[in-house]
Amino acid sequence: GIQVEQSPPDLILQEGANSTLRCNFSDSVNNLQWFHQNPWGQLINLFYIPSGTKQNGRLSATTVATERYSLLYISSSQTTDSGVYFCAVDAYTGNQFYFGTGTSLTVIP
Amino acid sequence: DTGVSQNPRHKITKRGQNVTFRCDPISEHNRLYWYRQTLGQGPEFLTYFQNEAQLEKSRLLSDRFSAERPKGSFSTLEIQRTEQGDSAMYLCASSGTSGGPYNEQFFGPGTRLTVL
Repeated sequence: GIQVEQSPPDLILQEGANSTLRCNFSDSVNNLQWFHQNPWGQLINLFYIPSGTKQNGRLSATTVATERYSLLYISSSQTTDSGVYFCAVDAYTGNQFYFGTGTSLTVIP
Repeated sequence: DTGVSQNPRHKITKRGQNVTFRCDPISEHNRLYWYRQTLGQGPEFLTYFQNEAQLEKSRLLSDRFSAERPKGSFSTLEIQRTEQGDSAMYLCASSGTSGGPYNEQFFGPGTRLTVL
């Protein structure tokens, strides 16, 4: 299967700071998603981004498929951004996702 | 569209008992997935259905695990003779709408299983 590595594993930010989370993957992928897992375990969709750049409010993401990485940018972080961020990739159309081990983000007021 | 739902949300059982979980996908989605997540790890794929056909199973899915999607709508995941190592969060996801990326997966809230 595809290996997915996320960095950093842990991140502590002061409220209002910006951050960049990285996802490296070991093979060509058709699909890539970023999720935020809240403290209750719910995975919330952030971006479906197999390639290119997208923005949604304070969050944006870029995937460079040819170089096998994706970046998630969080600007002006808020305490509600705390949680674990996962990157998931899929080499085959819709069969399964391979998840990274996540980046645990803590935003302190 | 009420999203993916899972029941029960929590299940505590004794070792050796059988448990069954239910997942109701987003109504127009024809693809359904089960994942398992243990503490500190990302979700791991278990199995995948397209309509009622189970098309892929992970090696993680031992003989004690069985999943069904009898009418291509809801799905059940059964674990027989539970072991303490089965304690985990079991997540269901669905995809396959014509209104957005076909392969974008949406997850339910999960069922947290504790085996004593």
